[in-house]
Amino acid sequence: AQSVTQLGSHVSVSEGALVLLRCNYSSSVPPYLFWYVQYPNQGLQLLLKYTSAATLVKGINGFEAEFKKSETSFHLTKPSAHMSDAAEYFCAVSAPGANNLFFGTGTRLTVIP
Amino acid sequence: EPEVTQTPSHQVTQMGQEVILRCVPISNHLYFYWYRQILGQKVEFLVSFYNNEISEKSEIFDDQFSVERPDGSNFTLKIRSTKLEDSAMYFCASILYRSGEDEQYFGPGTRLTVT
Repeated sequence: AQSVTQLGSHVSVSEGALVLLRCNYSSSVPPYLFWYVQYPNQGLQLLLKYTSAATLVKGINGFEAEFKKSETSFHLTKPSAHMSDAAEYFCAVSAPGANNLFFGTGTRLTVIP
Repeated sequence: EPEVTQTPSHQVTQMGQEVILRCVPISNHLYFYWYRQILGQKVEFLVSFYNNEISEKSEIFDDQFSVERPDGSNFTLKIRSTKLEDSAMYFCASILYRSGEDEQYFGPGTRLTVT
């Protein structure tokens, strides 16, 4: 079975500050891991994904995430927050060969000018 | 860029009524999904659909739910007799191939409110 836990339902950062959104996973098989972003009134958009290649994954809009098996983590980071990064972020996991995604509860990122 | 669309954006219905939520997946995609998110909770998988039949469903997807691809473009989720606890945001998604690596493309969601 797969699941993810996102620590912090709300995160606030100042514009230009580091963004760190936490995600820990649980999986009985080597997982595929995803970060999705949802802007108001829009669908979920893929930011990046880990599918057992490089452990440091770079995504769109300057985001990246590192798969750490020893910590069962897949935290999302961005060196410098921009006002346009304000959105809801979802971590998700699936198993190889399956498409059903198991999502976390989401983290709402607020960027303070 | 192709996108998944969903209608309506917001549906209000009375308990016990039937609702149909509509989705138009990306045209060449082969696998279709419904997820839901109750306010403040996780996005949860409901059902996947391939080749005109359900390929997998969660325990949430009971006899009150059904899915259909009535024509070559629409993918619908029907709830026969809505309950208060069906109030949620419902997301449709589609994917070209089922490999686990590929991106699922999500629609903007339909907010269902059952009163």
